[in-house]
Amino acid sequence: AQTVTQSQPEMSVQEAETVTLSCTYDTSENNYYLFWYKQPPSRQMILVIRQEAYKQQNATENRFSVNFQKAAKSFSLKISDSQLGDTAMYFCACGATNKLIFGTGTLLAVQP
Amino acid sequence: EAQVTQNPRYLITVTGKKLTVTCSQNMNHEYMSWYRQDPGLGLRQIYYSMNVEVTDKGDVPEGYKVSRKEKRNFPLILESPSPNQTSLYFCASSSPGRGDYGYTFGSGTRLTVV
Repeated sequence: AQTVTQSQPEMSVQEAETVTLSCTYDTSENNYYLFWYKQPPSRQMILVIRQEAYKQQNATENRFSVNFQKAAKSFSLKISDSQLGDTAMYFCACGATNKLIFGTGTLLAVQP
Repeated sequence: EAQVTQNPRYLITVTGKKLTVTCSQNMNHEYMSWYRQDPGLGLRQIYYSMNVEVTDKGDVPEGYKVSRKEKRNFPLILESPSPNQTSLYFCASSSPGRGDYGYTFGSGTRLTVV
């Protein structure tokens, strides 16, 4: 069975600073994808970044980047130059198109 | 605009009264799923569908039904809702032909069963 673990229920960061959210996963699949989703207070689920497991290069999207360690089954999210609009719940997810397994989420608060 | 549309956005109902949450997508996606979100548990998959007339159970299917008669629609049916089905529900769609870009989610349905 696949599992996704986010060990930080809540985190806080000052505006303009950098923060890293942790995620570990376990899967028996050979072909899988990893995602970070953002859920602001509006509760909309927004895709932040995705990583193809067969690619070694870490994905980057503007201020968001990942540190993908396949052997360690680790997939952390780094947010640089944090902004107030980054305040949200962040979910890590692992799987394929018909089934994504989500972690329990990390609530990130960006302080002014 | 490419989107997944869920209705209603909020729903309060009584135990045992059958209800349907509708979901429709306009992206011609093959795959559709229903998830429920509960505090401390993240999102858990209820049912998914890989195409018309093809559905399968997710991790928490008890008490729910689905159907996929048309490619764009994937309604979630609660035949006899109970208070433990109070939750935030998301419909999502995706297409494997696009290199697995993950799900597009609906806006969610907040269901309260009293």
